[in-house]
Amino acid sequence: GESVGLHLPTLSVQEGDNSIINCAYSNSASDYFIWYKQESGKGPQFIIDIRSNMDKRQGQRVTVLLNKTVKHLSLQIAATQPGDSAVYFCAENDHPGANNLFFGTGTRLTVIP
Amino acid sequence: GAVVSQHPSWVICKSGTSVKIECRSLDFQATTMFWYRQFPKQSLMLMATSNEGSKATYEQGVEKDKFLINHASLTLSTLTVTSAHPEDSSFYICSAPPDEYSGANVLTFGAGSRLTVL
Repeated sequence: GESVGLHLPTLSVQEGDNSIINCAYSNSASDYFIWYKQESGKGPQFIIDIRSNMDKRQGQRVTVLLNKTVKHLSLQIAATQPGDSAVYFCAENDHPGANNLFFGTGTRLTVIP
Repeated sequence: GAVVSQHPSWVICKSGTSVKIECRSLDFQATTMFWYRQFPKQSLMLMATSNEGSKATYEQGVEKDKFLINHASLTLSTLTVTSAHPEDSSFYICSAPPDEYSGANVLTFGAGSRLTVL
């Protein structure tokens, strides 16, 4: 199903620290999850994705964890940099194999130099 | 990599006029494109799925007569906001699967089009 963001949570971290951004999803039929980064006035940029048959996936400085039992997704950013400041959205597909995505509320990450 | 281009990037129009936003897949073909709307400080909301050669599929609560979608070719989908009103002011973003036949399920998003209705 669709998640609508009404209030944007915020997270402030010191440069060099690790960041953890959390997301709860509601659709138990979703089998694909993605994290996107959106800078002001721009479209979302793909960060990392994970399928429901996995519980962890790592990329460059980013790790996504999936807990299907509690329908929770997290994005970990290692050694956060000022360029990481943006709004981060998790997204899930509507049903297995679907291409359309529904977005979570989003979290605004601010990195303090 | 796959690139999705939107035009215009921003537009200001008078209330009651219609505005067309184009979404192009530059280096790949897309039989399906998705249109999202994003209000300030809010999340992206899926409006409709654009299907090449057939009618678009609209999400619940989205007026199909107000938001006309045309997917005339494998590289172009257009969204026309008809009789725009100030409450239609928003950031409209399109996306396309880079290759729906490869099994790759990573959507590529355009840079968005900011509509301001006076």
